[in-house]
Amino acid sequence: GAVVSQHPSRVICKSGTSVKIECRSLDFQATTMFWYRQFPKQSLMLMATSNEGSKATYEQGVEKDKFLINHASLTLSTLTVTSAHPEDSSFYICSGSGERGTDTQYFGPGTRLTVL
Amino acid sequence: QKEVEQDPGPLSVPEGAIVSLNCTYSNSAFQYFMWYRQYSRKGPELLMYTYSSGNKEDGRFTAQVDKSSKYISLFIRDSQPSDSATYLCAMSLMTTDSWGKLQFGAGTQVVVTP
Repeated sequence: GAVVSQHPSRVICKSGTSVKIECRSLDFQATTMFWYRQFPKQSLMLMATSNEGSKATYEQGVEKDKFLINHASLTLSTLTVTSAHPEDSSFYICSGSGERGTDTQYFGPGTRLTVL
Repeated sequence: QKEVEQDPGPLSVPEGAIVSLNCTYSNSAFQYFMWYRQYSRKGPELLMYTYSSGNKEDGRFTAQVDKSSKYISLFIRDSQPSDSATYLCAMSLMTTDSWGKLQFGAGTQVVVTP
């Protein structure tokens, strides 16, 4: 299957700082990338959808000014959590989909964010 | 009511047994059905996907879709301790407006005991 990587795998930061998470598709071109958040023992919640070269589409309730998404190329998307607070602590997972007309998504390994 | 319902478990089975997982859904417009496996603190891994009603087999895994009953299942034969994970069902409408948006079940935690 297609491979998606995320960096960093784990980050601990102080409240008020910004954190950038990178998501890369390693062996395919991801025309669309998705960002999810997952709280302990809960399922994935879609935060936003980004298409290469265009603005991300955010789900209802997700603050676009807080969670900045950039999809600059077909293999790289970044999520920046700005002015992070303890309630932003979560597991952030990205996924990529390369083929329009199919909803198969390939997920990265996730990034665990802890805000102190 | 959630669009996709999945029993969170945990489901504990002895090694070698058949694991039976299922999800029900309320939106009859769902057309694409997937099963993902997620190990603790890892991203989900795609196991199987299918578009149509019926059975699809891949090694020890069988996915079953019954669109008339709005019910999907995943069976794991000859289960191994390495199959211990959370299994997530997911489905999508595959329309232009909703392309890429997956509706996930809550995930079922499976524990296979040696």
